[in-house]
Amino acid sequence: DAKTTQPTSMDCAEGRAANLPCNHSTISGNEYVYWYRQIHSQGPQYIIHGLKNNETNEMASLIITEDRKSSTLILPHATLRDTAVYYCIVRAYGGATNKLIFGTGTLLAVQP
Amino acid sequence: DTGVSQDPRHKITKRGQNVTFRCDPISEHNRLYWYRQTLGQGPEFLTYFQNEAQLEKSRLLSDRFSAERPKGSFSTLEIQRTEQGDSAMYLCASSPANQRDYGYTFGSGTRLTVV
Repeated sequence: DAKTTQPTSMDCAEGRAANLPCNHSTISGNEYVYWYRQIHSQGPQYIIHGLKNNETNEMASLIITEDRKSSTLILPHATLRDTAVYYCIVRAYGGATNKLIFGTGTLLAVQP
Repeated sequence: DTGVSQDPRHKITKRGQNVTFRCDPISEHNRLYWYRQTLGQGPEFLTYFQNEAQLEKSRLLSDRFSAERPKGSFSTLEIQRTEQGDSAMYLCASSPANQRDYGYTFGSGTRLTVV
């Protein structure tokens, strides 16, 4: 699975949009981009995933560049409860392995 | 179904003792995963089951670790002769066969402290 690079930490003001970047320059054509988040002392929570089209759900939007070498997770109106570590993961569907490989993620701190 | 359940939430044990953790996945999920997480790090993959078959094990899973999923439902992770380095959060996750559309659902984890 391709490796991802994320900033270690980011701040965001409450009520503003949080834009979390992820680089995955070695992504393969059959690899999806997944985002999870982990709030302190809880297990990771699935947010969203995509292949090449932009995706939106009730939690967030995922913007994937045309060359698929990077993506951005957007939380449109961040709240204090969105303070968490956000993980960007790329993984092939149906490949030899079914595991998700987590990096160290981005610690998003939403400030009041 | 309230999600993935893990028991106990916390475990303190003395070095050298054996411990066993339990994971109850979402009932219709046939895939089950164990991860370990230490402070400041992302979760690390340990092992993966599809139904009752253990299909992949990480090199992190030493001989002291064993996992089972005897009837394809709940799973147990046992650590024998615990060491201080085993102190970590142990996370369980489950997913349906078509995980492309659903991702994983994680439990809240079991925090192990070896003293």
